[in-house]
Amino acid sequence: AQSVTQLDSHVSVSEGTPVLLRCNYSSSYSPSLFWYVQHPNKGLQLLLKYTSAATLVKGINGFEAEFKKSETSFHLTKPSAHMSDAAEYFCVVSDPYNYGQNFVFGPGTRLSVLP
Amino acid sequence: GAGVSQSPSNKVTEKGKDVELRCDPISGHTALYWYRQSLGQGLEFLIYFQGNSAPDKSGLPSDRFSAERTGGSVSTLTIQRTQQEDSAVYLCASSPTSGGSSYEQYFGPGTRLTVT
Repeated sequence: AQSVTQLDSHVSVSEGTPVLLRCNYSSSYSPSLFWYVQHPNKGLQLLLKYTSAATLVKGINGFEAEFKKSETSFHLTKPSAHMSDAAEYFCVVSDPYNYGQNFVFGPGTRLSVLP
Repeated sequence: GAGVSQSPSNKVTEKGKDVELRCDPISGHTALYWYRQSLGQGLEFLIYFQGNSAPDKSGLPSDRFSAERTGGSVSTLTIQRTQQEDSAVYLCASSPTSGGSSYEQYFGPGTRLTVT
């Protein structure tokens, strides 16, 4: 079975400093991995996805993530945080053989950006 | 183009009443998913549709919850005899198809349900 661990429930950074949100996954297959962002009182928006092409994936709003198979990790980074980045971030692993509950969500990491 | 829409955006209801939540997926998307997000929690899978059929209802928390999808498009999630623990944000998502791990899900803005 697939699973996702987000190691930090809350991360706080100062504006202009780097962001690192950690995600580790467990999968029996070569997975697809996603990061979604949820701003307060909004739905989830796709930031980026990995689907077995380049291991360094660039997404929207300056975010990127690197797939490391040996570490079973897919950490999300951004060089310089902006106030508008404050939100909840979800790491997701996709189970290609489960046609229903094929998205397995991590518990989320809340990012706070301090002025 | 138009994204996933949900209505109402907010719903306040009294305990014991029935409620219906609506989801309009992206046109042409055959897969549709319902999730529940309780305060400060992650996403809880409820049900999945492929076309009009629901091959996976495993996440529905009780028999008070049901869902249908008609015309391969609009879906309605119905909660009967609502309880206070049903208070949550209900999110709908659609995808071009099911399985095939590269397909992302596109989420609607959610319906915030409050049971008083």
